[in-house]
Amino acid sequence: DQQVKQNSPSLSVQEGRISILNCDYTNSMFDYFLWYKKYPAEGPTFLISISSIKDKNEDGRFTVFLNKSAKHLSLHIVPSQPGDSAVYFCAASLYGGSQGNLIFGKGTKLSVKP
Amino acid sequence: DAGITQSPRHKVTETGTPVTLRCHQTENHRYMYWYRQDPGHGLRLIHYSYGVKDTDKGEVSDGYSVSRSKTEDFLLTLESATSSQTSVYFCAISSTSVNTEAFFGQGTRLTVV
Repeated sequence: DQQVKQNSPSLSVQEGRISILNCDYTNSMFDYFLWYKKYPAEGPTFLISISSIKDKNEDGRFTVFLNKSAKHLSLHIVPSQPGDSAVYFCAASLYGGSQGNLIFGKGTKLSVKP
Repeated sequence: DAGITQSPRHKVTETGTPVTLRCHQTENHRYMYWYRQDPGHGLRLIHYSYGVKDTDKGEVSDGYSVSRSKTEDFLLTLESATSSQTSVYFCAISSTSVNTEAFFGQGTRLTVV
């Protein structure tokens, strides 16, 4: 059973417009969420995170929104740039214990067209 | 960039042979992870370590073993490689177990023929 779901395998947007990437989760015990960005032939790199005590976190062009009641988070990129073209993974973390692993979604491939 | 080195970066091996992938870090982070990435599956945790000689299984641990004899090195071994283990393997490190981002290596592309 997939605990973190990214239902859109791909997304295409025009340069300068907003990109919205969505992520749903099923486990209410998750309390920390992260977005990673991955270019081909490279490892994922951390982009932005949000704790479950917040509903929004902003870092430059990137904003993550968390709706706990809907078990949904989204990543907004404004304005989108061609260099943002990559695969974006949503990940969730379970609090406590030594099991500090991240549970990832399958990823959404974002293409930003000039 | 976090100091994580994976070796080898690419490997082709035959079914039934043993394979060891190495992850080396220079950050002195306590936690280390091995993930595999496959089309349609995203990243899945194989094994992780929370200290020297302290390891535990992840979601897809069957067919894999790990060892961590030093803080800086985390080895992933396929005792007898199978074609289903053809994948891209990523090592990651983190300083704490919760509420923190992980830093990933560049990956090892393993092909089992």
